[in-house]
Amino acid sequence: GENVEQHPSTLSVQEGDSAVIKCTYSDSASNYFPWYKQELGKGPQLIIDIRSNVGEKKDQRIAVTLNKTAKHFSLHITETQPEDSAVYFCAASKGGGADGLTFGKGTHLIIQP
Amino acid sequence: DADVTQTPRNRITKTGKRIMLECSQTKGHDRMYWYRQDPGLGLRLIYYSFDVKDINKGEISDGYSVSRQAQAKFSLSLESAIPNQTALYFCATSDWQRGTDTQYFGPGTRLTVL
Repeated sequence: GENVEQHPSTLSVQEGDSAVIKCTYSDSASNYFPWYKQELGKGPQLIIDIRSNVGEKKDQRIAVTLNKTAKHFSLHITETQPEDSAVYFCAASKGGGADGLTFGKGTHLIIQP
Repeated sequence: DADVTQTPRNRITKTGKRIMLECSQTKGHDRMYWYRQDPGLGLRLIYYSFDVKDINKGEISDGYSVSRQAQAKFSLSLESAIPNQTALYFCATSDWQRGTDTQYFGPGTRLTVL
């Protein structure tokens, strides 16, 4: 089955700096790569996703890049703000997530004031 | 997301007890999922359902069973709870019929098995 590795497990950055979280996947048939943000005491919430036919996608301060050849994808957050502090999960799936998602172990992002 | 509700939010039980966790959604989505979250391990898929008549095992289904009573309700049961089933459990939904992939998660149920 699919295996998703996520790094780093903890990331501390100064407010206003950029943060990058990286993930690798094992199954070359995977075609859907979402990123979720989980705040304390809440369920994960989708922040951005990308499909295998696209190399990059942006939404305001958030961007995701995908390298199919190397089987890795990354989340980029620019101009970080205190409200960006949370746990972030990457995930991968075949069939667009219909059969469920395989998640990475998560990155605890800490924004230092 | 308030459209996906889970009950109870917290539950403490003893080894060997039967436990049912419930999930309800008002989104009208056809697909529903149960995930388990353990500290440092991310979320892992337990079961998923395409509709009332279609139930599928996920990565870690052993020790669990599910029931899709209606399109809006999907229950997870632990027939005989054991301590290593202590975890945070999430229900999720997606609207596959309309071609969207986003999964919407409930607030979670924290289960402790003593």
